[in-house]
Amino acid sequence: KAGVTQTPRYLIKTRGQQVTLSCSPISGHRSVSWYQQTPGQGLQFLFEYFSETQRNKGNFPGRFSGRQFSNSRSEMNVSTLELGDSALYLCASSPGGSIQYFGAGTRLSVL
Amino acid sequence: AQSVTQLDSQVPVFEEAPVELRCNYSSSVSVYLFWYVQYPNQGLQLLLKYLSGSTLVESINGFEAEFNKSQTSFHLRKPSVHISDTAEYFCAVSLVTNAGKSTFGDGTTLTVKP
Repeated sequence: KAGVTQTPRYLIKTRGQQVTLSCSPISGHRSVSWYQQTPGQGLQFLFEYFSETQRNKGNFPGRFSGRQFSNSRSEMNVSTLELGDSALYLCASSPGGSIQYFGAGTRLSVL
Repeated sequence: AQSVTQLDSQVPVFEEAPVELRCNYSSSVSVYLFWYVQYPNQGLQLLLKYLSGSTLVESINGFEAEFNKSQTSFHLRKPSVHISDTAEYFCAVSLVTNAGKSTFGDGTTLTVKP
C-alpha cells in the first residue's frame, strides 16, 4: 500500500503570495489532518478533515484553510504569506480511528 | 485540553548503552499515546502506540514504552542503542473521543555516540 504523499516537497514563496499544498492519503483512509512544524513552536495542529467535512480546527488565523475532496485527497491553502509561515507542513491520514500515518512533509520557505 | 511534556530536550548516550526518553501527559479523559521518530528532512514515523490493553508496548526495533496511568507517563526505553537510533523523538497524545487531533511534546533529540 502506498503511504501518504505530499506535494510539493519544497516550496519557496515571497511575502504576500498564497500557496496550496496537497496531500494524498493512504488508500481507504477518510481522515486527513494537517500540522505545522517550526523550530520555535514545535508541532501544532492545523485542522482535520473527515469525509469532506472539517471535523477539528486548531488555533491558526483564517489565512490558513483547507478542504477535502470526495477521493479523500486534501489541500491546504495559506493566503497572504508571512515570514513566520515558513515551516514544515505535515499531513497525516487515518482510517478514522486512532492511528495517524504521516507523509514526508512540504517545506515552505517564505522570503 | 490535553498537554504533553517531554522532560529532556537532548539526550546524549554512547552506543550499546541503555536509554530512557521521558514523557508526561495531562488529560482529564481517556487518551491514546504515541511515540514518533523523525529523521532529518523527513516526516514522522510511528514508533509505537498505546491504545488499550497491555500497558507495555513494544516496537519491532527494540524500543518499548510503558503506560503508567497513575503517574500519567509514557516513557520510551531501549536497552541498547545503535548509531542509527540518532534522531528526534516525539511523544504525542490524542483523546479517545477525538483521535484526529494529536498534541505533541517539544521533542527529544537522541544522539548516539560511538
